[in-house]
Amino acid sequence: GNSVTQMEGPVTLSEEAFLTINCTYTATGYPSLFWYVQYPGEGLQLLLKATKADDKGSNKGFEATYRKETTSFHLEKGSVQVSDSAVYFCALSGNSGGSNYKLTFGKGTLLTVNP
Amino acid sequence: NAGVTQTPKFQVLKTGQSMTLQCAQDMNHEYMSWYRQDPGMGLRLIHYSVGAGITDQGEVPNGYNVSRSTTEDFPLRLLSAAPSQTSVYFCASTTGQKETQYFGPGTRLLVL
Repeated sequence: GNSVTQMEGPVTLSEEAFLTINCTYTATGYPSLFWYVQYPGEGLQLLLKATKADDKGSNKGFEATYRKETTSFHLEKGSVQVSDSAVYFCALSGNSGGSNYKLTFGKGTLLTVNP
Repeated sequence: NAGVTQTPKFQVLKTGQSMTLQCAQDMNHEYMSWYRQDPGMGLRLIHYSVGAGITDQGEVPNGYNVSRSTTEDFPLRLLSAAPSQTSVYFCASTTGQKETQYFGPGTRLLVL
């Protein structure tokens, strides 16, 4: 079955530091890959996505590239802000069997950015 | 559009009580799902529906029932609450398998 592994947190950075959160996946077929963000006390919202190999998703200064050869979708940001403090989830959907709509999530990475 | 709405926001139950978590969406999405979020576990799929009248089990369906009588609504029923069902519950909807899923704000449930 599908699975997603992301780096365990928590991650604590100073403002303007570089961020990388690693994500690797196992899936059959050609899944879509997502990063969702959850701010304190809120639901999940899409940060970025990529639907095929070598696609780069980007939003709010965050980027991630769909690497099929390494089955990875690492999240990066060049200069984090205090407002980026949140929990980040890597997820995938779509495989060769069953419902292609189901999202499989990683366990989440808590990011804290200090001023 | 209100998007995906969930009620209640917070609920306390005693063991053995039953309740229904409500979820509605106004985006005419065919696919809806329920997840639970537990510390260190990420989100796990409970049940999902690919359209009115069609539901199926996800990863952790035991103790929960669902029905889908309309495109808009997808309630989740706890038949006899247990402390293990203490969690935050999220409803989501989407239009397609490679498309963004839109999440509701969540229901925080505490079972004593």
